[in-house]
Amino acid sequence: RKEVEQDPGPFNVPEGATVAFNCTYSNSASQSFFWYRQDCRKEPKLLMSVYSSGNEDGRFTAQLNRASQYISLLIRDSKLSDSATYLCVVNKAYSGAGSYQLTFGKGTKLSVIP
Amino acid sequence: DTGVSQDPRHKITKRGQNVTFRCDPISEHNRLYWYRQTLGQGPEFLTYFQNEAQLEKSRLLSDRFSAERPKGSFSTLEIQRTEQGDSAMYLCASSLEPALNTEAFFGQGTRLTVV
Repeated sequence: RKEVEQDPGPFNVPEGATVAFNCTYSNSASQSFFWYRQDCRKEPKLLMSVYSSGNEDGRFTAQLNRASQYISLLIRDSKLSDSATYLCVVNKAYSGAGSYQLTFGKGTKLSVIP
Repeated sequence: DTGVSQDPRHKITKRGQNVTFRCDPISEHNRLYWYRQTLGQGPEFLTYFQNEAQLEKSRLLSDRFSAERPKGSFSTLEIQRTEQGDSAMYLCASSLEPALNTEAFFGQGTRLTVV
């Protein structure tokens, strides 16, 4: 099983649609979770951290289910500018010393169509 | 500009040549990471420094790869005897300890093409 798995897409949605991305991770000891956004030929940038209680930032909602080792990102009222690749990222934690290696999924490509 | 800076942005080299990339992290960040990204894939971890200490290395980092961060500030990544399979985007990121949830900021990357 891959460490972080995502549906690669592409997701082609009309403006205004709601779209959801899912991600699963294999290391049950992982401690930190993020969604990064990457535009074509650009560097990844943090979209939001994901907390156990779930968190919302404007049109974006992230949720974490530790029992199922599952992370989700919901985008409401999609804009053309949301078109990008969304990377699910998990902190690869080791017991004891701790590790800050971030493990990335392959990303899910989103295209928002006029 | 106070972001993560990488140099060069693009590098084309012949197979067998050595290349060196530089990363200047955000000045107060003590953690520095190197990642490699190929088309259609997410970034893959190569190595990470806390200050000048190299604390983790991926199995992807073969003997031909070496990274340094001599004074705990900028870092270099050298690839010796480059192979076509080394062609990729090499990304550097930095972050500030101690919180696990600390955001990692990425540079714009160095795109390596081995011909």
